[in-house]
Amino acid sequence: GAGVSQSPSNKVTEKGKDVELRCDPISGHTALYWYRQSLGQGLEFLIYFQGNSAPDKSGLPSDRFSAERTGGSVSTLTIQRTQQEDSAVYLCASSKRTASGSFTDTQYFGPGTRLTVL
Amino acid sequence: LAKTTQPISMDSYEGQEVNITCSHNNIATNDYITWYQQFPSQGPRFIIQGYKTKVTNEVASLFIPADRKSSTLSLPRVSLSDTAVYYCLVVSGGGADGLTFGKGTHLIIQP
Repeated sequence: GAGVSQSPSNKVTEKGKDVELRCDPISGHTALYWYRQSLGQGLEFLIYFQGNSAPDKSGLPSDRFSAERTGGSVSTLTIQRTQQEDSAVYLCASSKRTASGSFTDTQYFGPGTRLTVL
Repeated sequence: LAKTTQPISMDSYEGQEVNITCSHNNIATNDYITWYQQFPSQGPRFIIQGYKTKVTNEVASLFIPADRKSSTLSLPRVSLSDTAVYYCLVVSGGGADGLTFGKGTHLIIQP
């Protein structure tokens, strides 16, 4: 079946511009996660959505970062006034979230969007 | 927050068994140990998850001692295609703190 898809695969932008990154989770998955991976680093958790609950935004690095999830499916991560330190691969994952309140469900990752801020 | 510590890199040869150990001294009662694998230019992929003792699937085994302060991912008879970064996570329902993957272990398999 179809996996998690992300678009665009690559994005080059100029410092100060806004960017939007899209994630299409696996159909039926109620949980959606966004991560950031800088060059040579591990994954940094950004934000988490579960069903209709308020998102867990505890990992967002600044108020320039925001995300929304429409209709419990597609999600958009928006970075306003991009800075060079925002350059990274942004990964999205989804899971079935079979257990209430649990993060132990298997996450399925998309291929990521490589963002380059000049 | 159960922080994890694992080696930055490891080398091995095709056909060998590889064991990667992760330390998580502050693991909590409701925490699970999960391992992911990541190839270059791809998102991580789930390998195995466990709570205690031993878990085995078609890809790997996970050994967790009684105190649960560490865990060992065992890859039997590795091949060149097992070259990847392996991440150890400690996750629970308590919050998103455990969802930071860290730098992982870069496993390099040689012919």
